[in-house]
Amino acid sequence: DQQVKQNSPSLSVQEGRISILNCDYTNSMFDYFLWYKKYPAEGPTFLISISSIKDKNEDGRFTVFLNKSAKHLSLHIVPSQPGDSAVYFCAATPAVAGKSTFGDGTTLTVKP
Amino acid sequence: EAGVAQSPRYKIIEKRQSVAFWCNPISGHATLYWYQQILGQGPKLLIQFQNNGVVDDSQLPKDRFSAERLKGVDSTLKIQPAKLEDSAVYLCASSLGRAGLISYEQYFGPGTRLTVT
Repeated sequence: DQQVKQNSPSLSVQEGRISILNCDYTNSMFDYFLWYKKYPAEGPTFLISISSIKDKNEDGRFTVFLNKSAKHLSLHIVPSQPGDSAVYFCAATPAVAGKSTFGDGTTLTVKP
Repeated sequence: EAGVAQSPRYKIIEKRQSVAFWCNPISGHATLYWYQQILGQGPKLLIQFQNNGVVDDSQLPKDRFSAERLKGVDSTLKIQPAKLEDSAVYLCASSLGRAGLISYEQYFGPGTRLTVT
């Protein structure tokens, strides 16, 4: 049973437009949510996070939205740039800390 | 600040052979994780250490996998004997997390790509 799902394996967007990556979770014990970005042959790098007490967190071009009732979160990238092309992983962590459960990732391609 | 170091970067072995991976976390990070990432999937936690103690090893196949973190710093992950299905990227990550301080963000190393033939 996959507790964190990223239902879109890939997404292609034109440079300058908005990229929206989605993530669904099933475990109501998850309390903290993170997005990681991964380039080929590198490990994932932390991008942005959100606590369950918030519904939005913004950092520059990146905004994460959380809908607790729907158990859904999304990552918005505006405007998208070719350097944003990577695999994006959603991760969820319970309040007890540490153990994150990852989705299978969405490959974002931003076309010039 | 130096990142998480892992070696080797690539390893090819035959099934039933043994292999070991090494990880050096970011200085001062108390929590260390080993993940297995199969192609097309997200990282799956194998084992989590806080300092030199095991916090979670529920997903570690203990009949063939073992891990240790001596002196609460470096860590090694060993597979013996390897199976074809162990072909994956093995990622090491660390975070600040220690008693009384929760830290959710993890810092990953570049990973070791293991191919079992």
